[in-house]
Amino acid sequence: LAKTTQPISMDSYEGQEVNITCSHNNIATNDYITWYQQFPSQGPRFIIQGYKTKVTNEVASLFIPADRKSSTLSLPRVSLSDTAVYYCLVGDSGSARQLTFGSGTQLTVLP
Amino acid sequence: GAVVSQHPSRVICKSGTSVKIECRSLDFQATTMFWYRQFPKKSLMLMATSNEGSKATYEQGVEKDKFLINHASLTLSTLTVTSAHPEDSSFYICSASTGDDTGELFFGEGSRLTVL
Repeated sequence: LAKTTQPISMDSYEGQEVNITCSHNNIATNDYITWYQQFPSQGPRFIIQGYKTKVTNEVASLFIPADRKSSTLSLPRVSLSDTAVYYCLVGDSGSARQLTFGSGTQLTVLP
Repeated sequence: GAVVSQHPSRVICKSGTSVKIECRSLDFQATTMFWYRQFPKKSLMLMATSNEGSKATYEQGVEKDKFLINHASLTLSTLTVTSAHPEDSSFYICSASTGDDTGELFFGEGSRLTVL
């Protein structure tokens, strides 16, 4: 079971780039790294997923170093609406039950 | 992407009554669904894994008789909070996986239960 560690909270200003790093030292060979966003009183929403190197989609980038023991979610030019809790999860379909949520990172975007 | 829907989104009930929450996968079949509980400003806590056609697997400390889970079809799992009490008030969330190699989970909107 790959445990994850993230900063509890981060503050940023509108228009800035935000990088949130997650540590997952005991990641397994078959594990993918997935980031979710959660707003208050809503279910988590998928942001991005990767296995290695760099992945980019329309909302974020995910950087994964060669050893895969950490990953960094990068949000370009954040806005107030990006204020949310961000969770990084590690696992694969075989261990979906064990995709345990860590504490997550509360990102607060200030005007 | 795959869509998971929960119903109801909010429910208020009297102490001692039972409440059923539904979780549906709208455009895919989910042999496995997951139920979570979330307290204010806390992370999601996995309660149980719901398996289609078989008994659910409960996490340690979760009462099976209190939280009844039924996964009767490939698109529907239900969570019934029996004889609810105020301490059962919480935000309940379900998720499902399409079963691909990535293990990506798709979450419902959540259900806010308030027990008076």
